[in-house]
Amino acid sequence: DTAVSQTPKYLVTQMGNDKSIKCEQNLGHDTMYWYKQDSKKFLKIMFSYNNKELIINETVPNRFSPKSPDKAHLNLHINSLELGDSAVYFCASSAFPGTRETQYFGPGTRLLVL
Amino acid sequence: DQQVKQNSPSLSVQEGRISILNCDYTNSMFDYFLWYKKYPAEGPTFLISISSIKDKNEDGRFTVFLNKSAKHLSLHIVPSQPGDSAVYFCAAHNFNKFYFGSGTKLNVKP
Repeated sequence: DTAVSQTPKYLVTQMGNDKSIKCEQNLGHDTMYWYKQDSKKFLKIMFSYNNKELIINETVPNRFSPKSPDKAHLNLHINSLELGDSAVYFCASSAFPGTRETQYFGPGTRLLVL
Repeated sequence: DQQVKQNSPSLSVQEGRISILNCDYTNSMFDYFLWYKKYPAEGPTFLISISSIKDKNEDGRFTVFLNKSAKHLSLHIVPSQPGDSAVYFCAAHNFNKFYFGSGTKLNVKP
């Protein structure tokens, strides 16, 4: 069983569209994250949720809206997609926030905006 | 303004030899450091970590060294195996966040 899963794995879409990426973890963790891997390959934190509450919200355009229906799921909705949103988006989870807990990553969603 | 840097995008090593991957950071407040390994089309997986109060941590073939005065971290893999071929990310922790480097692609040649 996959510990952290993301759907879809690949997403090709036109500028201006709205899209969602879903993430689920079956590890029983309380904390989930969204990272963006940009063109320079850096992984940068976007959001973090602990038990459905937003705890980290980096400087991200408000076109990006995370939603956590329960602590096992963290979805990312992106409105009005732009070319610069093309990247690989990784979901991750850890047992607790604010600690040095190891994070478990999903396989990534490769988003290409045309 | 990247606080964690991996200046070597790639490294090629012969099987059985030592692989040394390097990482530099700028923030002296980082209190914990990790290395992640990533295969193509997969997410990063945790490899080894070190607290800022230590200068070495060893786990089997993997050893991480921390030089706080130089703000430098390195990962040694001895002996290197072809299955070690992957991208290695260095990460540092501060105030609930992890800051990642851009990765070094290691190729271990049989």
